[in-house]
Amino acid sequence: DGGITQSPKYLFRKEGQNVTLSCEQNLNHDAMYWYRQDPGQGLRLIYYSQIVNDFQKGDIAEGYSVSREKKESFPLTVTSAQKNPTAFYLCASSPSGVGDEQYFGPGTRLTVT
Amino acid sequence: GQSLEQPSEVTAVEGAIVQINCTYQTSGFYGLSWYQQHDGGAPTFLSYNALDGLEETGRFSSFLSRSDSYGYLLLQELQMKDSASYFCAVRRGGQGGKLIFGQGTELSVKP
Repeated sequence: DGGITQSPKYLFRKEGQNVTLSCEQNLNHDAMYWYRQDPGQGLRLIYYSQIVNDFQKGDIAEGYSVSREKKESFPLTVTSAQKNPTAFYLCASSPSGVGDEQYFGPGTRLTVT
Repeated sequence: GQSLEQPSEVTAVEGAIVQINCTYQTSGFYGLSWYQQHDGGAPTFLSYNALDGLEETGRFSSFLSRSDSYGYLLLQELQMKDSASYFCAVRRGGQGGKLIFGQGTELSVKP
């Protein structure tokens, strides 16, 4: 079955530690996205990538980093510089040139204490 | 700036019809999308309007008026499983452009 996988579903870290969230897709989509969702809020774009080896900052990129070495994979690192890292993180992908219909993974709920 | 406004919550009864409105302010508008998200789950794509008018997909329809910067999602024959959050989103830029999401409308369907 084609889709997007994110792991783990729940992640707990101590403040000051970097943590990397996994996102893999087998839909052969060119574009991939990372969003952050806080309780009762909409989705805010962290980073996006339209092609391998290229990515752009979204609206809230500070304290995050990404890489896009393979078409299938778009990992997100939450660094210790991110002031409020506790959130629900969603990865999405879309076919090239069609940014409106995005396919989302199940999300990773990160808690930093 | 760019922003979207939608009601924070709507309540309706099973079998009824409900309309969720979305108004937007954005430069370079390319289309309005709607997503559904059940509690704690992944958002799923429902519909997309690039041109004025009504798009129908089963029990769900979506409408767009570009001159009024306004759209809505219409849900008919409501079922309990329709209880979820609904987000409107607009695309900035051209192909593959970024989406801006509204804050979401929480729909509660009562028996």
